[in-house]
Amino acid sequence: DQQVKQNSPSLSVQEGRISILNCDYTNSMFDYFLWYKKYPAEGPTFLISISSIKDKNEDGRFTVFLNKSAKHLSLHIVPSQPGDSAVYFCAANTGNQFYFGTGTSLTVIP
Amino acid sequence: DTGVSQNPRHKITKRGQNVTFRCDPISEHNRLYWYRQTLGQGPEFLTYFQNEAQLEKSRLLSDRFSAERPKGSFSTLEIQRTEQGDSAMYLCASSRSGAPDTQYFGPGTRLTVL
Repeated sequence: DQQVKQNSPSLSVQEGRISILNCDYTNSMFDYFLWYKKYPAEGPTFLISISSIKDKNEDGRFTVFLNKSAKHLSLHIVPSQPGDSAVYFCAANTGNQFYFGTGTSLTVIP
Repeated sequence: DTGVSQNPRHKITKRGQNVTFRCDPISEHNRLYWYRQTLGQGPEFLTYFQNEAQLEKSRLLSDRFSAERPKGSFSTLEIQRTEQGDSAMYLCASSRSGAPDTQYFGPGTRLTVL
C-alpha cells in the first residue's frame, strides 16, 4: 500500500535548466510534506518542507509546490547544478509516521 | 552538533544470528525513528520513540525485531534469528518535539544476511 508515489524513477536535465520532480499521495490526512536528497552510501538529507496550509515554499534554488485538491506536490530546482545529481525522496507525515516515495534519481548534465 | 551517527556502518551475518545496531541522535532531539530501506524503495517506517517511550511500531516490525531507547538518548535495534529478507539498509533519524517535525537521518547500517 504505497501512500506516497514518485512515478518517475529517473530524470536527466541540462545544467542551468529547471528540474521538476513530482510526487503524488493518496492519504488526505497528510498535513506535512518534505523532500529529501540522498547521495550513495549516505542517509537522506533534508531539503525543504511544506505544511498543508500552504501551497508554495521557497528556499534558494528550491521551491516546493503543493496542490491539495490533486494530492500532488512537486519540487522545482532552478538553476540545476551538477552537484544536485542525487536521488530525491518525497515524504508525507500524519501523526508520528512518515511515508516515503520510492525516489527519483536526478542527473544534471554539465 | 555532530549529526546523527549509526554503528556499525556495515554488518554481514549468517542466517539465524542475532545482530544489534546503535543510533546516536542529535543531542537535543527527543524524537527518534528507525526505518528500513531496500533497493529501489524509499525508507519504510519501523518504530518511533519520544524520549525513552516507544510510541509507534509498524506492522513491518515482526517479533524478531526489538528496539530500545533506555535513557532517551541513544537507541538500539536488535534483530533476532536473522533471515535473508532482513538484508537492507537500516536508517535512524531524529527530530525535536514540536511542529513541524523535520527528521535528520544518520548514514545508515547496511545489513547483509548470508
